Parts: sequence; structure tokens; C-alpha cells
Amino acid sequence: GAVVSQHPSWVICKSGTSVKIECRSLDFQATTMFWYRQFPKQSLMLMATSNEGSKATYEQGVEKDKFLINHASLTLSTLTVTSAHPEDSSFYICSAPRLAVTDTQYFGPGTRLTVL
Amino acid sequence: SQQGEEDPQALSIQEGENATMNCSYKTSINNLQWYRQNSGRGLVHLILIRSNEREKHSGRLRVTLDTSKKSSSLLITASRAADTASYFCATDGGSNYKLTFGKGTLLTVNP
Repeated sequence: GAVVSQHPSWVICKSGTSVKIECRSLDFQATTMFWYRQFPKQSLMLMATSNEGSKATYEQGVEKDKFLINHASLTLSTLTVTSAHPEDSSFYICSAPRLAVTDTQYFGPGTRLTVL
Repeated sequence: SQQGEEDPQALSIQEGENATMNCSYKTSINNLQWYRQNSGRGLVHLILIRSNEREKHSGRLRVTLDTSKKSSSLLITASRAADTASYFCATDGGSNYKLTFGKGTLLTVNP
């Protein structure tokens, strides 16, 4: 079964609004989570590393004021797309490494954001 | 930044045939992983191969790694229509499990 969940699975919003996406590790604690963005027919691009108890680390070219990340607990990270615009429409995927079990990461099912 | 490059970008085969996808990368790695993604869905981890391994098997999957050439291949034997998906390689350079993904190969298995 899924070990990382995302909510919502899809969202449509108007330009200028803010959208919050949640990423939860279901049966393990994740001090680190990652947020990726995927445009249609393209690969995943790492946006930022979400760190529990400290600030997120953003990849080059990703606006931290645009994409707010909060790692509120050991099982929850949220990504808020602020003042969304049509160019922010994308598939957002989170992942969490489950270090005690394996070196692999578990990916959430993704959130499809469409900004009108 | 994207460092992985898969080829081919798209592959169409008949059921029962084998499918081979290749991946190249640029920097040193701790491990290389292959993932599968069905259209519009999340990623499914397929297999991980460490930098000191050369070959790994998992069911119908066979992965090779050549660190001298900075390349890996994924072989799916006896393909099925259900194998239709995009396949991505991802490298872990050891930096806190940050993954760098390749561009992916879209595999279509025709019944």
C-alpha cells in the first residue's frame, strides 16, 4: 500500500490564489522530504528539500517566496504555491526517504495543479 | 539540474518482446535507481543498483551499471501491455538523498 500520500490529488484554481499541497508519510517518520515538479511529458525537477524543524532548501532558480514549504511534523510537509499563475500549472510530487528500511525513496501519487 | 539522459526517448514494441532502455549520467554516484510512471500518476520504484554493483535482477527486470562509462541499462524481458509507462533513471550523488532524474523513456507495449 501507499506509504506516502498527497492531498489533494488535483486542484483547479484561479490565477492569483494560493494553493496548499500536503505530503504525508503514512507509517514512518521523515525528517526530510523532497518536492518535485513535472511539466507534461517532461521529467521530474527537484524544487526543494523540506527539513523538519528548519527552513527548506531550495534548488537554484526556484523562488522560495513563491513556493512556501513548511515541514510541520515528522510526517507532514506542505507546499504552498502563492499567487499562482497559469505557468505554475504542473504535476507536483513529493518524496520521502525511508532510511531505516532502504535507501530508496517513496513517492507520493502527485498533485495536478491547474491555474486558470 | 538534469544530468541523466535516457535513450531512446520513446520505444514501441510488441508484447513478448524485450525492451532495453539506457541511461547516462555525468557525476559520481552512490547509487542509481529506475522508476516507472504511468501516465499522470506517481512514481513506482523498480530497482536500485549501488555504485559497486554491476548487475542486478528483479523478476523480469535486469539492470546493469557501468560506472566507467557512467551509464546504466534497464532490460524488461517478455514485456506485457501493462508495462506501458514512462521509465526514469535517477541518480543519488550522496547529497542527502536528493535524486536527479533523467528525461525518461516512454515505453509502449502493443498487445
